[in-house]
Amino acid sequence: DIVLTQSPGTLSVSPGESATLSCRASQTVSSSYLAWYQQKLGQPPRLLLYGASNRATGIPDRFSGSGSGTDFTLTISRLEPEDFAVYYCQQYGSSPLYSFGQGTKLEIK
Amino acid sequence: QVQLQESGPGLVKPSQTLSLTCTVSGGSVNSDGYYWSWIRQHPEKGLEWIGYIYHSGTTFSNPSLNSRLTISLDTSKNQVSLKLSSVTAADTGVYYCARGLDVRYCSGDTCSHSWVFDPWGQGTLVTVSS
Repeated sequence: DIVLTQSPGTLSVSPGESATLSCRASQTVSSSYLAWYQQKLGQPPRLLLYGASNRATGIPDRFSGSGSGTDFTLTISRLEPEDFAVYYCQQYGSSPLYSFGQGTKLEIK
Repeated sequence: QVQLQESGPGLVKPSQTLSLTCTVSGGSVNSDGYYWSWIRQHPEKGLEWIGYIYHSGTTFSNPSLNSRLTISLDTSKNQVSLKLSSVTAADTGVYYCARGLDVRYCSGDTCSHSWVFDPWGQGTLVTVSS
């Protein structure tokens, strides 16, 4: 089974600064099949990016993604108070058909 | 705007069957191109995809749950159902219903597909305990 490992587990950043979150796969993932979600406390996950770098509807341009192969990155620029949440990467295609990373908690420094 | 709402018992005894329903509003479970999915989140842990059902009735599930899982559609009620048998404490968690979709996008002359979940229901907490 493919395993997605996110790092760091917790990231402390000040509002206004940038945050870089990593997602590493145990085997090659097509960049088309890599997505990112944001989950705030008590809420379901919300789709942020698909195809590794394409923003979902309504997602501000301070969210960007990159990567290929086994290494993918989510970058959040100019952090706003509402951006502090848990972020998950998700892959499609390998067994199991869909899987998620364990999440990175972005907290206010 | 499509909305999903999960419902079902919050407490299930070990060895029994967990049954949940997802009611879809603002859209039809009969629509082509959507994979009505169940995803769960274990306490303080990450997300686990359980399985999906297509409007045709075709299902696909996580191999780790395959033998215990049934996902079905009720088109008359616009609902998706989940049944998980022989539950244990390890099945405790928040269960989400989500619409799986194939997003087609193009960059220049190259077009690709991405399979994602959007939107999600609010989730329902299920505890397995005697």
